[in-house]
Amino acid sequence: GQQLNQSPQSMFIQEGEDVSMNCTSSSIFNTWLWYKQDPGEGPVLLIALYKAGELTSNGRLTAQFGITRKDSFLNISASIPSDVGIYFCAGPPGDGGSQGNLIFGKGTKLSVKP
Amino acid sequence: EAQVTQNPRYLITVTGKKLTVTCSQNMNHEYMSWYRQDPGLGLRQIYYSMNVEVTDKGDVPEGYKVSRKEKRNFPLILESPSPNQTSLYFCASSLGGDSPLHFGNGTRLTVT
Repeated sequence: GQQLNQSPQSMFIQEGEDVSMNCTSSSIFNTWLWYKQDPGEGPVLLIALYKAGELTSNGRLTAQFGITRKDSFLNISASIPSDVGIYFCAGPPGDGGSQGNLIFGKGTKLSVKP
Repeated sequence: EAQVTQNPRYLITVTGKKLTVTCSQNMNHEYMSWYRQDPGLGLRQIYYSMNVEVTDKGDVPEGYKVSRKEKRNFPLILESPSPNQTSLYFCASSLGGDSPLHFGNGTRLTVT
């Protein structure tokens, strides 16, 4: 089935640094989503992307839907300690899929040193 | 408050002893699903349901059962748990379409 490959697996950065992570697939996705999981909690949606080439921001977060529809990246600017967590990319499998049924990447674990 | 509620949060059990993890949502969502999260493997879907009495297998359904008799509830049943089902389990729900998936806070299961 469809798979999402996320990189890097983990990152250790200094507070204030910018962060970049990405997600690729061998097949096309029509929606790309980025979720964040805080320690001890369930994932929460950060950004949703619906059109190829779309660039969307949410505060210090910026995400882009790749032109080929096979990749997406997430950038975090000026990281702070509360950015710690696991970031997942996700998308609905197949054509015209719903966000109610998603497949997820393996996650990027972010650690921030104050 | 709109939420997805899972119970219990923590569960330790022994091999072969049937258990049920409950999941309830108060948002009148059509879609509900179960995921398991394991280190290095991310979130893998076990089962999902698009509506009452409609369920489908996800990527890792072996050893699990689900039922959707009411819209708000979607229990996960392990008829004969084994140690390889030790994991962190998440229930999630959505209106469908472009509406986001809402997750519960997880159930950490240990099978000895």
